[in-house]
Amino acid sequence: QSALTQPPSASGSPGQSVTISCTGTITDLYVSWYQQHPGKAPKLVIFEVNKRPSWVPDRFSGSKSGNTASLTVSGLQPEDEADYYCSSSIVGNSFDMIFGGGTKLTVL
Amino acid sequence: QVQLQERGAGLLKPSETLSLTCAVYGGSVIDYNWAWIRQPPGKGLDWIGEVSPSGTTNYNPSLKSRVTLSLHTSRNLFFLELYSVTAADTAVYYCATFNEGGSYFDVWGQGSLVTVSA
Repeated sequence: QSALTQPPSASGSPGQSVTISCTGTITDLYVSWYQQHPGKAPKLVIFEVNKRPSWVPDRFSGSKSGNTASLTVSGLQPEDEADYYCSSSIVGNSFDMIFGGGTKLTVL
Repeated sequence: QVQLQERGAGLLKPSETLSLTCAVYGGSVIDYNWAWIRQPPGKGLDWIGEVSPSGTTNYNPSLKSRVTLSLHTSRNLFFLELYSVTAADTAVYYCATFNEGGSYFDVWGQGSLVTVSA
């Protein structure tokens, strides 16, 4: 069964950069990332591996190498503290979607 | 930008049917693909399924036997029905627009908590 694996936690100090990984059988193009603050709905921050919606600051960037996609948050700010989820369509069945287990990002 | 609002019963008993409505504002249901995603308390996100403007559906295989997604185009609404619920279906349920070309969920509702308890 397909699965996307994320580290449960990540942390960094204000101004630093943090990278969150997402490993699994990932389609080449269809990786997205979502930010979720406590009690709030998820918000799209990266789509199609490395594209940002217009409302997302350029401190957020995405990349992919082999079976691992990554989200990097540069110049960490306190408001970046949140849960982050990766998502992809399932290889072999591009119409089914799957989420990673989520990573809690703490700004120290 | 389109805005979404989920509504429906918040408390169900085991074996009942979960019915949620997603109201669409600032856009038309015929202009987007639609998805439901749920999140059990303290856990991660779980994709339920999607429906296209033409009514074509695609469901999570683990839920396929119990779920129906549909649109009401004239009322600009999007529906979720989940049959024979158990405590394991307790979750916050989100509706979202789904960009099929890029396989991502770009606009989300605020979520609706559904609790299943005897």
